[in-house]
Amino acid sequence: DGGITQSPKYLFRKEGQNVTLSCEQNLNHDAMYWYRQDPGQGLRLIYYSQIVNDFQKGDIAEGYSVSREKKESFPLTVTSAQKNPTAFYLCASSISIRGRESEAFFGQGTRLTVV
Amino acid sequence: AQTVTQSQPEMSVQEAETVTLSCTYDTSENNYYLFWYKQPPSRQMILVIRQEAYKQQNATENRFSVNFQKAAKSFSLKISDSQLGDTAMYFCAFMITGNAGGTSYGKLTFGQGTILTVHP
Repeated sequence: DGGITQSPKYLFRKEGQNVTLSCEQNLNHDAMYWYRQDPGQGLRLIYYSQIVNDFQKGDIAEGYSVSREKKESFPLTVTSAQKNPTAFYLCASSISIRGRESEAFFGQGTRLTVV
Repeated sequence: AQTVTQSQPEMSVQEAETVTLSCTYDTSENNYYLFWYKQPPSRQMILVIRQEAYKQQNATENRFSVNFQKAAKSFSLKISDSQLGDTAMYFCAFMITGNAGGTSYGKLTFGQGTILTVHP
């Protein structure tokens, strides 16, 4: 089935360590997104990418990094520079053809906890 | 910069009644889409309804309809005949589309969300 897969579902990290969250899609979508959600809060945009080898900072990019080497994959690295990384992270993708843009389709999310 | 504001942190409604969730947005772009998403306790994001800014007719999907006021930059969601399964957090979202240039094209911004509880 087509969809977006995020892994792992739960992730624990020690303070000072970098950690990478995986996001893979087989929907042939050009655009991919990473969001952070804190308890009872909305989704805040971290990074987004409209095309391979290109990405843009969102509203809260500090302490995060991404890469887009393949159309299907958009991994997010939470670095030690991120002061409060404990949160729920959501990945999404969408069609990004001018005039034919689609809504975003979401993965199941990754819950990251710093211990 | 684009912003999306949902001014109602929580709402409640009786089963079978009608409820309206508010959303306002701010942008200088002319080409964009607006969405309402639902996030139930499972945390899976589900699209409820979509509206293209160039369309004057309000979108409807079964019990869900929107009131899109482009000049006022308002995009409210009306849920008719509320059901217990409608209990969720609802998010309004805005995507820049069309002829927007530069890095803003495709940016998808969400509001803070409204927690809706449907009571039996």
